[in-house]
Amino acid sequence: SQQGEEDPQALSIQEGENATMNCSYKTSINNLQWYRQNSGRGLVHLILIRSNEREKHSGRLRVTLDTSKKSSSLLITASRAADTASYFCATDRGGGADGLTFGKGTHLIIQP
Amino acid sequence: GAGVSQSPSNKVTEKGKDVELRCDPISGHTALYWYRQSLGQGLEFLIYFQGNSAPDKSGLPSDRFSAERTGGSVSTLTIQRTQQEDSAVYLCASSFGSYNQPQHFGDGTRLSIL
Repeated sequence: SQQGEEDPQALSIQEGENATMNCSYKTSINNLQWYRQNSGRGLVHLILIRSNEREKHSGRLRVTLDTSKKSSSLLITASRAADTASYFCATDRGGGADGLTFGKGTHLIIQP
Repeated sequence: GAGVSQSPSNKVTEKGKDVELRCDPISGHTALYWYRQSLGQGLEFLIYFQGNSAPDKSGLPSDRFSAERTGGSVSTLTIQRTQQEDSAVYLCASSFGSYNQPQHFGDGTRLSIL
């Protein structure tokens, strides 16, 4: 079952603008991860934030985590056409045996 | 290779046939995962291996599904007596351990049941 819910489901912005995607989840987690998927390809790991962390940066990516609200956000700054993809949040309850629980994703389109 | 490799990349088969999907994880990755991605259900976790052992098989959709991993490396996912609802993209991922580790995904096998 889907634990995470991304918001919005689709987002279209102009190149150079910032893109923000949100994710909510329902149970306690060990970490939350964001992945990108280009059409017809597998998922590419972007960033992992642990439950005791509040913010993490990687290049043009900024992820926040609020465990009290069970929510996370992914900010992509200075977007590029190559950022066009679907973005998924995934929660990990720890230990591996449960795998990752993915949301339905946000489809991001960057207009050149 | 450097990444997770899955074969075949596409498989079309008739309802009722058996299919076998293969996953070659990144060398040295002890944890291996199978997921299924479909339009209706999104991304679903199927099964996890730590080494050659799968501690919990309850994520497999039915008893027609089975998976094994040998030598701590290659894994196969077998679907017997395929049904149309099995049509999906089957994704494999591996990680260096299972605790607080990112997963590395292959490009998947797109399975179509006629």
